[in-house]
Amino acid sequence: QITLKESGPTLVKPTQTLTVTCTFSGFSLSTSDVGVGWIRQSPGKALEWLAIIYWDDDKRYSPSLKTRLTITKDTSKNQVVLSVTNMDPVDTGTYYCAHRYGGDGYDYWGQGILVTVSS
Amino acid sequence: DIQMTQSPSTLSASVGDRVTITCRASQSVSSWLAWYQQRPGKAPKLLIYKASTLGSGVPPRFSGSGSGTEFTLTISSLQPDDFATYYCQHYTTYWHTFGQGTKLEIK
Repeated sequence: QITLKESGPTLVKPTQTLTVTCTFSGFSLSTSDVGVGWIRQSPGKALEWLAIIYWDDDKRYSPSLKTRLTITKDTSKNQVVLSVTNMDPVDTGTYYCAHRYGGDGYDYWGQGILVTVSS
Repeated sequence: DIQMTQSPSTLSASVGDRVTITCRASQSVSSWLAWYQQRPGKAPKLLIYKASTLGSGVPPRFSGSGSGTEFTLTISSLQPDDFATYYCQHYTTYWHTFGQGTKLEIK
């Protein structure tokens, strides 16, 4: 059974760096063709894809946010970490992590973590 | 980067109706296209991947078609649980952009 869960701060100040962690079970990020991605959703808005990291440490980022994002993995801890620098109130939203295998879509999702950016 | 445009943005329909949502890509994404359903306050659920392959446990009233730049999601007979927001997403090698969403409302 595959599960993912996001954790991290629910409130950050403008200009700070957000670090959110995805802890997963039921699969290994050292298995070929497996990836874990991050997606966010501002209140009342559409889903926005942020980044993905693959089993071979290949990383892809949203072109519009690339300079602010860093995604890493700790295979031994079954964790993927996303950092977002220079947070702004427009970055307020729910941050989801999700599993992807091969040529499929994102088939398992975490419950999401709501992050508010405010001074 | 590739832009995904869904239409309509909002769709009003009744239980039992057949509905179709369209997703257009700004350039070819081959068949690397997924559809998701999202209910309020919940994480998205994968419905369709590779443009037309049904996700695990997804009822057969959902179907997807298309390739290249134009795709459709069809629900053959709407059920009460189907009133939600639907998103398309392309997932080519470099990025995985979502469409802006289609909200399916009860008429």
